[in-house]
Amino acid sequence: AQTVTQSQPEMSVQEAETVTLSCTYDTSENNYYLFWYKQPPSRQMILVIRQEAYKQQNATENRFSVNFQKAAKSFSLKISDSQLGDTAMYFCAFMRGSGGGADGLTFGKGTHLIIQP
Amino acid sequence: SAVISQKPSRDICQRGTSLTIQCQVDSQVTMMFWYRQQPGQSLTLIATANQGSEATYESGFVIDKFPISRPNLTFSTLTVSNMSPEDSSIYLCSVEDDGQETQYFGPGTRLLVL
Repeated sequence: AQTVTQSQPEMSVQEAETVTLSCTYDTSENNYYLFWYKQPPSRQMILVIRQEAYKQQNATENRFSVNFQKAAKSFSLKISDSQLGDTAMYFCAFMRGSGGGADGLTFGKGTHLIIQP
Repeated sequence: SAVISQKPSRDICQRGTSLTIQCQVDSQVTMMFWYRQQPGQSLTLIATANQGSEATYESGFVIDKFPISRPNLTFSTLTVSNMSPEDSSIYLCSVEDDGQETQYFGPGTRLLVL
């Protein structure tokens, strides 16, 4: 079974600052995917970024980037030039690669990120 | 990515009753999933909805409590049966755009059981 750990229940930074959210995971799988999802107060789950475990290159999406350390089983999210709209719960998630189709997601407990004006 | 809708968006129900939640996708998808998010908690997978066969349930979830239908490749329902206040949660469906191995979520159904 997989586990995902987010050790920061809440973080607060000033607008325009850079913030890093941490995530560690445990698995015996070799083929898997890692995700960060954002959940604003509307409760909609929004995909932020995706990382394939077999790719060494860290994924980036505009202001969002990850630091994927496979040996350490670490998957942190960096948000640059943070904006008020980034205020949300952020969930780290793991999915086993099943080849023939997606498997279910295993989520961490989440980090509540607050961007202060 | 696929556009996903859920009905109802929220409901208040009496204990002992049942509620059926619908999930509709604007394109055909192989994989659909149902998750529960209890108040202040993370998301937990309830089951995988398989088209043409019975759903696959995770440990701690049973078909009698959470029956699921998947009549075609664009639609699924989750029923929360014989509800108690402990069933008060947000219920979310997700889909995998075929071949992408990435899940996208519907807007969720917020359920309050009194």
